Amino acid sequence: EPEVTQTPSHQVTQMGQEVILRCVPISNHLYFYWYRQILGQKVEFLVSFYNNEISEKSEIFDDQFSVERPDGSNFTLKIRSTKLEDSAMYFCASNQQGGDSPLHFGNGTRLTVT
Amino acid sequence: GENVEQHPSTLSVQEGDSAVIKCTYSDSASNYFPWYKQELGKGPQLIIDIRSNVGEKKDQRIAVTLNKTAKHFSLHITETQPEDSAVYFCAANPNTGNQFYFGTGTSLTVIP
Repeated sequence: EPEVTQTPSHQVTQMGQEVILRCVPISNHLYFYWYRQILGQKVEFLVSFYNNEISEKSEIFDDQFSVERPDGSNFTLKIRSTKLEDSAMYFCASNQQGGDSPLHFGNGTRLTVT
Repeated sequence: GENVEQHPSTLSVQEGDSAVIKCTYSDSASNYFPWYKQELGKGPQLIIDIRSNVGEKKDQRIAVTLNKTAKHFSLHITETQPEDSAVYFCAANPNTGNQFYFGTGTSLTVIP
């Protein structure tokens, strides 16, 4: 069964540094997402991406965040200047038809900002 | 926006017993309700979903019920097994966009 893959599985960075989290969504999916989960808390929406542009974003997704689909398979999340509170699990997800179809999640990248 | 609440936050059951997890939502326009199981160190995995034109859906030991009037939906797991131990999340999509709103999760422990 096709999977969403994410790299790296764990990223440690110093406060103020830039990080890029990478994802390969399922190949025939059209909608791509980033969610995050702070330890022990609920899964929170960051951004959705369709047709090469952001379709929705949450209040969490401020100017420090950006997403890109640099080629036909990768989908990246960049945090320009990391803060301690950015420490969380970041999940990439994809689906075929937007909000009306199941989300398929990757296994996540654990980001630790020191 | 949509607000999804989930109860209980933790649930322990004996192997073979049933487990029920309940969620409520606030936006009457929500029309798609998936349930996810998250095992330690992994991403959430879809286990069952229901759309607003259906009141109940079953897949082997797992069932979901939806009450649109009361705006709540529930996950039912029968004949629980130790491998059912995980965190379960409900979610709702309000049909105004692609964003899913998640509940706060239920940590289910099945005691052998």
